[in-house]
Amino acid sequence: DSGVTQTPKHLITATGQRVTLRCSPRSGDLSVYWYQQSLDQGLQFLIQYYNGEERAKGNILERFSAQQFPDLHSELNLSSLELGDSALYFCASSPTGGMDYGYTFGSGTRLTVV
Amino acid sequence: GENVEQHPSTLSVQEGDSAVIKCTYSDSASNYFPWYKQELGKRPQLIIDIRSNVGEKKDQRIAVTLNKTAKHFSLHITETQPEDSAVYFCAAFRAYSGAGSYQLTFGKGTKLSVIP
Repeated sequence: DSGVTQTPKHLITATGQRVTLRCSPRSGDLSVYWYQQSLDQGLQFLIQYYNGEERAKGNILERFSAQQFPDLHSELNLSSLELGDSALYFCASSPTGGMDYGYTFGSGTRLTVV
Repeated sequence: GENVEQHPSTLSVQEGDSAVIKCTYSDSASNYFPWYKQELGKRPQLIIDIRSNVGEKKDQRIAVTLNKTAKHFSLHITETQPEDSAVYFCAAFRAYSGAGSYQLTFGKGTKLSVIP
């Protein structure tokens, strides 16, 4: 157990629907990062939050949004889902926004859009 | 933004042989280069890292080298074992001053198969 908790582990939904993925960072970590991993693809950075504030954005679609709450857990919202959104979504956390202690990844949420 | 190229995409070696995976990066401001190992269906796990002020780092059978001038870094695994079979990702990290934001950019991964 890495200490980063992601729920749900699996999610199957239909095109056009909206889903919410949840991430609880390791105790004491202030930064949360979201990554998308499609089949045979690398890890695409989506967005970073630090202590409740958005700090960096990667290739995140406008249909996707995220937030980090006062208790530091984060949610990634995916709307108007398309078949191509099927992927593994990873959350990672770190104590600060930097790489002093590295990133710790959660076990991921596997999203299947049918 | 940063672009990380990783080669090869697949690599098969005989057990006991060495494996080398190479990455290049584009942003000279990147200063930290971790390597992650991802087994099938599992989360990426950090196996070794190197900072830009160091040229080489070794941890048992794993070593990483960094050439800042050429902007490339490599992972070396010696005496490979079947349990080394996994997908390996390189990554480059940089901080964006003033904004307090940071980004870790990954390569597309190398699928390593160690044949017993």
